[in-house]
Amino acid sequence: GAGVSQSPSNKVTEKGKDVELRCDPISGHTALYWYRQSLGQGLEFLIYFQGNSAPDKSGLPSDRFSAERTGGSVSTLTIQRTQQEDSAVYLCASSSPRQRGVHNEQFFGPGTRLTVL
Amino acid sequence: DAKTTQPTSMDCAEGRAANLPCNHSTISGNEYVYWYRQIHSQGPQYIIHGLKNNETNEMASLIITEDRKSSTLILPHATLRDTAVYYCIVIGAGNNRKLIWGLGTSLAVNP
Repeated sequence: GAGVSQSPSNKVTEKGKDVELRCDPISGHTALYWYRQSLGQGLEFLIYFQGNSAPDKSGLPSDRFSAERTGGSVSTLTIQRTQQEDSAVYLCASSSPRQRGVHNEQFFGPGTRLTVL
Repeated sequence: DAKTTQPTSMDCAEGRAANLPCNHSTISGNEYVYWYRQIHSQGPQYIIHGLKNNETNEMASLIITEDRKSSTLILPHATLRDTAVYYCIVIGAGNNRKLIWGLGTSLAVNP
């Protein structure tokens, strides 16, 4: 079946502009995650959605970052008034908890490469 | 969640076994060891995970020491396509959220 998809694959924007990044998780996966990865670095957790529960937003670096997940499926990560330090690859992952309370495999999308000029 | 330590880089000859170590000396009893890898310009890919017993799947084997303070990921017959950054992550049961990612080990498989 289809994996996690993200769009656009690449985004170049000017400093101060707003951007929206989209993630389509694997159908039926109730958990969705956003991470970002700066050049040569590991992944940095941003936000986590699980079903209808309130999202865990503890990783969002500033109030310029927000995310929504509509209908328990597609998610949009929005960055307002982009800054050059926002340049990174933004990765989305989804998972389907099979066992309550146990971490389950996360399936990652290919990422969106954001460049802020 | 416990912190992990991995070598920055390793080399391996094609066809030989690649043994990637990970130290997690502060691991607690309910924390699992997970391995992911990230091939250049792709999203990370799950490889294997374990609690205390050794595990094997079609991709790799995971050897966890008896005291659980370290583990080794083994790729039995490395191929050029195994060139990637390998991440060792420790995460507690019930924490289905933030995977804490270090810098991983950059494995280069050479012909």
